[in-house]
Amino acid sequence: EVQLVESGGGLVQPGRSMKLSCAASGFTFNNYDMAWVCQAPKKGLEWVATISYDGSSTYYRDSVKGRFTISRDNAKSTLYLQMDSLRSEDTATYYCARQRLHPVFDYWGQGVMVTVSS
Amino acid sequence: DIVMTQSPSSLAVSAGETVTINCKSSQSLLSSGNQKNYLAWYQQKPGQSPKLLIYLASTRESGVPDRFIGSGSGTDFTLTISSVQAEDLADYYCQQHYSYPNTFGAGTKLELK
Repeated sequence: EVQLVESGGGLVQPGRSMKLSCAASGFTFNNYDMAWVCQAPKKGLEWVATISYDGSSTYYRDSVKGRFTISRDNAKSTLYLQMDSLRSEDTATYYCARQRLHPVFDYWGQGVMVTVSS
Repeated sequence: DIVMTQSPSSLAVSAGETVTINCKSSQSLLSSGNQKNYLAWYQQKPGQSPKLLIYLASTRESGVPDRFIGSGSGTDFTLTISSVQAEDLADYYCQQHYSYPNTFGAGTKLELK
């Protein structure tokens, strides 16, 4: 059974940093691209970033470029999102998602809440 | 960026009805190379993570009931749910998977009448 379990969220002050982790199991992690998708409270879904199966390529939405870094450790089957210079508008639930060919997101974690507030 | 516009934003239905949700993209999602439309639909029930229903406009994900039907081409797409059941009450999102940044529609909330 595919499982994606996020951790590392919480309350953080504007301008500070936070690192999210996503532990994957139930599939061959290094065969898949992986992504982060966020959802602000009572809002819709927004793609944040994608990393290729081997970590060689990364893609970001414009609003997080230069502030967020997606990475992975295939030996640990773990995906990461380093979030720096956080802003109030980054407040959201962040989902880790497996990205299949095309690309679509076929498995999602339960999500982790990040609240940016002083 | 490709803008995805969904309508309606909410829909009240009775069990057994057929419902239609629309999604329009600001540019064509049809690939000239393989003639496939790069449009997906997701379902998100309250308090849950999104679930992939349909991709490439009309390909149902494994395990998704056949009452969920995706159609459309180019810039106009539709998700039809035949004979709505109580378990189908959720938010539905379209997503273009044609190019980065992948963009989603604002969602359609399916509620019970």
